[in-house]
Amino acid sequence: DAKTTQPNSMESNEEEPVHLPCNHSTISGTDYIHWYRQLPSQGPEYVIHGLTSNVNNRMASLAIAEDRKSSTLILHRATLRDAAVYYCILRWNNQGGKLIFGQGTELSVKP
Amino acid sequence: EPEVTQTPSHQVTQMGQEVILRCVPISNHLYFYWYRQILGQKVEFLVSFYNNEISEKSEIFDDQFSVERPDGSNFTLKIRSTKLEDSAMYFCASSVDLGNSPLHFGNGTRLTVT
Repeated sequence: DAKTTQPNSMESNEEEPVHLPCNHSTISGTDYIHWYRQLPSQGPEYVIHGLTSNVNNRMASLAIAEDRKSSTLILHRATLRDAAVYYCILRWNNQGGKLIFGQGTELSVKP
Repeated sequence: EPEVTQTPSHQVTQMGQEVILRCVPISNHLYFYWYRQILGQKVEFLVSFYNNEISEKSEIFDDQFSVERPDGSNFTLKIRSTKLEDSAMYFCASSVDLGNSPLHFGNGTRLTVT
């Protein structure tokens, strides 16, 4: 399984942008880059995903390096509700498409 | 917005008993998953299911576990003889397709084995 590397924790101030990095140097051409988050006492929640191009949705933006070996999840204005563990995961386009969760990045947001 | 629903939200059982955890995936989804999360640990993959059969399972998913899609809407996880170490949150997830589709997770069933 292709692995990802994320910092264990990050801090942000409320209403400031947050850039969450992820390295995935062994990514293969058919792997999609997915981001999920898990708020306390809840199930994982989908945030965004992409293949090669940068992606935007109502929750966040995903910036993907040209060589696809790294990506950055961008929360444009962090709120207290964004405090969660964020997971960067490569999703295969075969073998059942399972997600393998790592430890993720625990984001804390200060008021 | 459609969502994955899981019942019950909390299940308490005695060691050695059988439990069935139930999930209703999103209606047009084709790929189904079970995950578990022991308190304070990471989310672990158990099994994936497509076209009425298991497509992949982890080492955790031994003979004590089974999955079934008994009708067009439910997806169940059965643990035949529960052990103390089966105490965890169990999450069901579904997706409409593979890599280019998100997984949608339910809010989980907390299983407590006493």
